[in-house]
Formats: sequence, C-alpha cells, structure tokens
Amino acid sequence: SQQGEEDPQALSIQEGENATMNCSYKTSINNLQWYRQNSGRGLVHLILIRSNEREKHSGRLRVTLDTSKKSSSLLITASRAADTASYFCAPTTAFQGGSEKLVFGKGTKLTVNP
Amino acid sequence: EAQVTQNPRYLITVTGKKLTVTCSQNMNHEYMSWYRQDPGLGLRQIYYSMNVEVTDKGDVPEGYKVSRKEKRNFPLILESPSPNQTSLYFCASSLGTSGGLYEQYFGPGTRLTVT
Repeated sequence: SQQGEEDPQALSIQEGENATMNCSYKTSINNLQWYRQNSGRGLVHLILIRSNEREKHSGRLRVTLDTSKKSSSLLITASRAADTASYFCAPTTAFQGGSEKLVFGKGTKLTVNP
Repeated sequence: EAQVTQNPRYLITVTGKKLTVTCSQNMNHEYMSWYRQDPGLGLRQIYYSMNVEVTDKGDVPEGYKVSRKEKRNFPLILESPSPNQTSLYFCASSLGTSGGLYEQYFGPGTRLTVT
C-alpha cells in the first residue's frame, strides 16, 4: 500500500537553524499530509497539500510537493527546542473502499538543541 | 474544545483477559480509525469506520474488534489479548467519510502492556 518514506530518519540541529525533512512515495496521490508527534503523544496535523499545489506555508513551516518526482519536503525555519519531535508524512490515495486512506511512514526524529 | 478522548491512558493486563479501549470525539466526524504504533514499524491502521454501523479492516486487524453504534464512539475490543498486542494505540477522527481527504485528529494514546 502507499506509504511515505521520510528521510533522514534522524536529524539533530541547533536552535535557530532550519530543518528540512523529505518524503518520497511510490504512486500517484490525491494529497499529502504532514504530522508532528511529541514523544509518546498523539499526532498533530501540520499541513495538507493537494496534488495540484506545489507549495504551502503555515507560520514557520513550508511544505513543497513535486508530483513528478513523487516527493515532498517539510522545512521548519528558525527552529526552536519545542520543535523537537518526530515528523511523519502521509500520502493519500483513493483505494480504501473507494475512500482515501492515510498511510504513515516511520518518521523523521528531529532534535533541536538549545 | 474539539478533541478525541481515549480511556484508559495506561493499561497493564494479562494474556486472555478481555479489554476495551474507549474512544470518543466531539466534532461530529464521520470517519474514525484505530492505529497501533510500535518501534521501528511506525503507525499501522487496525480498523476504520466511515460512518455509524460501517466498519472495515485496516492493515493489522487480527485479534481486534470494533463497533460503531454511535457517531461519537468507536471502542476497540481485544477479546483475548496476547503479548504481541503490547503497543501504543491511537484513535483518530476526521471530517467526511474519507480517511485522507481531511486532517485527522488524534487522541492522546493508550499504552497497553499484555503480560
């Protein structure tokens, strides 16, 4: 089934630096979502980008989507210690009983050092 | 406040003792889903429901049951838990009947240990 694969698996940066996480997928999508998970807590939705969109912003977050390369990236600018979390991408395709389904990758673990 | 609640948050039980993890959402969402999260395996979908009385298997349904008698509630039932069901469980809900068309709202998680 369609699954996003995040890269890198782990990323450690200093506060104030930018963090870039990548996601690749295999088949055509309807949209792609990014989520954040603080250790052991529930996932929190960050951004949804549709297949006809190329870039989307939300505060310090910037998501790009390149459907020709089947890839997406999440950029966090001016990172803070509070951004320390795991980040997951979830591409969606229509196949679950005609509906759409999120299939999560294994995530990128981001550590922002103060 | 819009939220998904799960109970209990932590549970330690023994093999074979039936248990139920409750999930409730107050957003009038049609779509609800259960996931389990295991180290190295990410999140995997157990069951989902597109509406009341409509449920279907996800990727790892063996050993689990669900029901959707009311729109707001989607309990997860383990009839005879086994140690390989030790995991962190999440309930999620979403607007519409699709799991991917809109953002999903996640509960805080239930950490289950089966000994």
